[in-house]
Amino acid sequence: KQEVTQIPAALSVPEGENLVLNCSFTDSAIYNLQWFRQDPGKGLTSLLLIQSSQREQTSGRLNASLDKSSGRSTLYIAASQPGDSATYLCAVSNDYKLSFGAGTTVTVRA
Amino acid sequence: DTAVSQTPKYLVTQMGNDKSIKCEQNLGHDTMYWYKQDSKKFLKIMFSYNNKELIINETVPNRFSPKSPDKAHLNLHINSLELGDSAVYFCASSQAGTGGALLTQYFGPGTRLLVL
Repeated sequence: KQEVTQIPAALSVPEGENLVLNCSFTDSAIYNLQWFRQDPGKGLTSLLLIQSSQREQTSGRLNASLDKSSGRSTLYIAASQPGDSATYLCAVSNDYKLSFGAGTTVTVRA
Repeated sequence: DTAVSQTPKYLVTQMGNDKSIKCEQNLGHDTMYWYKQDSKKFLKIMFSYNNKELIINETVPNRFSPKSPDKAHLNLHINSLELGDSAVYFCASSQAGTGGALLTQYFGPGTRLLVL
């Protein structure tokens, strides 16, 4: 059974600092890994999808890396802004379903 | 134009009642899902339908019955509601890749169910 862990559970940084969010998974037989953002009381918004054959994916200030063999992914957010405050979830895809981590709640202080 | 919509947004009901949540997607995707997010914010898959066929059923009590009248709709009916059913229920859709892969998932805004 796939288990996904995200560390830390919560993170508070001053504006402008870079963010590093970690995700690990137990079964490396994945098809892809997806990072999502969830704002309070809202649904999830997809940020990045990394295919299992890729090492990293970038979108604007966001960069996600994937080391499939060691079961790890890292999401980097450069030059954080108060608008980046949210919960970030990673999820791995195999057997037609996503398995989610519990998320990292990020607070960016102005 | 809303990509994945759910109704209702909030649902407050008494134990023992039966209720339904509706979901519609206008993205042309072939796969739809129901997830449950509990009070600890942990998100767990409940059901997945591909081209109106059930492909994932994650040991959900049979009081929960999904129904997919067509590829764009996936409804969730819950019988005999219990206190532990209180949660946020999310619908999502995606295009299925090959061999069990899933492409980017798009989520609805959620339905907040409170059972009293």
